[in-house]
Amino acid sequence: DAMVIQNPRYQVTQFGKPVTLSCSQTLNHNVMYWYQQKSSQAPKLLFHYYDKDFNNEADTPDNFQSRRPNTSFCFLDIRSPGLGDAAMYLCATSRERGNNGYTFGSGTRLTVV
Amino acid sequence: GESVGLHLPTLSVQEGDNSIINCAYSNSASDYFIWYKQESGKGPQFIIDIRSNMDKRQGQRVTVLLNKTVKHLSLQIAATQPGDSAVYFCVVNDKIIFGKGTRLHILP
Repeated sequence: DAMVIQNPRYQVTQFGKPVTLSCSQTLNHNVMYWYQQKSSQAPKLLFHYYDKDFNNEADTPDNFQSRRPNTSFCFLDIRSPGLGDAAMYLCATSRERGNNGYTFGSGTRLTVV
Repeated sequence: GESVGLHLPTLSVQEGDNSIINCAYSNSASDYFIWYKQESGKGPQFIIDIRSNMDKRQGQRVTVLLNKTVKHLSLQIAATQPGDSAVYFCVVNDKIIFGKGTRLHILP
């Protein structure tokens, strides 16, 4: 029944080693979002896709990239993870931008060693 | 720009009492508001939403009040239960801007 699925739930990566987090959805929503959430902080929007149209937030570091090969899947690529990138990464979807609710996945907790 | 803030980072409530969580926003053009609940180690979960053409909306045990004049939003939880322990975020408009969050702690 899970509608937004994030894999893996926990990811450990080495400092500087590229890592990819994945998100899939069964809702056929047009919009997919990636958020970074550090401990005791609110989720921070990194970027979103409206269909194939990529929208980056102004303060998202270049180290973070994303791919959306089809409607169902969206990936977060961290090219050279630093210790400061350790966080929970949340994927969300919405049917349209604007006045719609959002469905979140359970998140992937990234540890950088 | 948009800013969203919550008045209290932590709220402790006796089990069975009502909880009120507040949120302020700055953009008077904001027209859609959502409350999310996030339990430890989980993603945010939709609770209730409200559009700017309304000032009150009720769900099961939850009520959201919107005061556009003072740009204030509140979430009321009736008969608070242990399962309500979580961080609550208000979210404004289409680009999901999360407020700081209020941690709701239930006292036995």
